Amino acid sequence: KAGVTQTPRYLIKTRGQQVTLSCSPISGHRSVSWYQQTPGQGLQFLFEYFSETQRNKGNFPGRFSGRQFSNSRSEMNVSTLELGDSALYLCASSLDGARSYGYTFGSGTRLTVV
Amino acid sequence: LAKTTQPISMDSYEGQEVNITCSHNNIATNDYITWYQQFPSQGPRFIIQGYKTKVTNEVASLFIPADRKSSTLSLPRVSLSDTAVYYCLVGDRAKAAGNKLTFGGGTRVLVKP
Repeated sequence: KAGVTQTPRYLIKTRGQQVTLSCSPISGHRSVSWYQQTPGQGLQFLFEYFSETQRNKGNFPGRFSGRQFSNSRSEMNVSTLELGDSALYLCASSLDGARSYGYTFGSGTRLTVV
Repeated sequence: LAKTTQPISMDSYEGQEVNITCSHNNIATNDYITWYQQFPSQGPRFIIQGYKTKVTNEVASLFIPADRKSSTLSLPRVSLSDTAVYYCLVGDRAKAAGNKLTFGGGTRVLVKP
């Protein structure tokens, strides 16, 4: 069965631009979470969506937003990019995050802001 | 979510057993202990989860003492491909809210030939 698919794998953007990242969860999984990973801060939770609703949010500025579609696919948007937004962005899916810690992560999108 | 403490790094050799201990003194009654493995430029991969005593699967064993204030991930007979960062997480998997995984710094395991 297909895993979690994130697109694109690599992205280079200029400071001030905006970017949209996509995540397709495992078929049947309804919970999608997003994480940012940087060498300095490690893995940090951004937000989680379940049945098209944001169920939980981490401590990131409003420039970071997301949404989930009826087919459970999710997108994450970062507006007014800053150099510090350069990171590996990871998406994780599960049947229902509330009932299990068995999250499956994608390979991530490597975003570089120049 | 309970805070976890793990060693920053560990070195081992092929064929040896690697044991990584995680401290979680403030673990709550409903908390489970979960371990993830991460290779460079990839997402973390679920390895094993347990609540008490011992859990074993095809890749690892998880030992949890009676007081549950620590846990040990055991990787038998490691190979070079086991070189990765290993994360210990503690949390209530039944909670409806707060479905966020809180990752600590992890343990960087280097397996040498």
